[in-house]
Amino acid sequence: DGGITQSPKYLFRKEGQNVTLSCEQNLNHDAMYWYRQDPGQGLRLIYYSQIVNDFQKGDIAEGYSVSREKKESFPLTVTSAQKNPTAFYLCASSLRGSTGELFFGEGSRLTVL
Amino acid sequence: AQSVTQLDSHVSVSEGTPVLLRCNYSSSYSPSLFWYVQHPNKGLQLLLKYTSAATLVKGINGFEAEFKKSETSFHLTKPSAHMSDAAEYFCVVSDGTTSGTYKYIFGTGTRLKVLA
Repeated sequence: DGGITQSPKYLFRKEGQNVTLSCEQNLNHDAMYWYRQDPGQGLRLIYYSQIVNDFQKGDIAEGYSVSREKKESFPLTVTSAQKNPTAFYLCASSLRGSTGELFFGEGSRLTVL
Repeated sequence: AQSVTQLDSHVSVSEGTPVLLRCNYSSSYSPSLFWYVQHPNKGLQLLLKYTSAATLVKGINGFEAEFKKSETSFHLTKPSAHMSDAAEYFCVVSDGTTSGTYKYIFGTGTRLKVLA
């Protein structure tokens, strides 16, 4: 079945540590996105990528980094510079250059201890 | 600039009664509009989408929405609520930018509670 796989589903991190969240898709989509979700705030865009080896900052990119070395993969690193990293992180993909829908993974919940 | 406003942060209905979740949008271009549903600790699932075809859009699980350009609204309705409809619902607008990319703007969500 085609879809988006995020891992891990739950992750605990100590302050000062970097952590990488995985996102893999087999939908053959060019565009991929990372969103952060906090209670009562909807989804906020962290980074997005329209094509391999290219990505752009979203609205809240500070303290995060990404790479797009393969079409299928768009990992997100939450660095120690992110001041409030505890959140639910969602990866999504879509066809490039269209107004088609976003397809979402099941999310990763990061808790900083 | 694009924006989405979900007019109610919480809605409670009794099982078997109609559901109305309200969404207003602002867009500089001809937008695409979506409704997504999210159950706790899960990803978002598409309920329905409007992409400039019929203004009354039917989705999954008996939901539908009507695009009203004059009112800049895209309200989500269901004739009869079921307990399994209890979840959070997001209205989303997507349209083009001057750089040729497409941007998705999310509302802040409406939490639907269904009472037995």
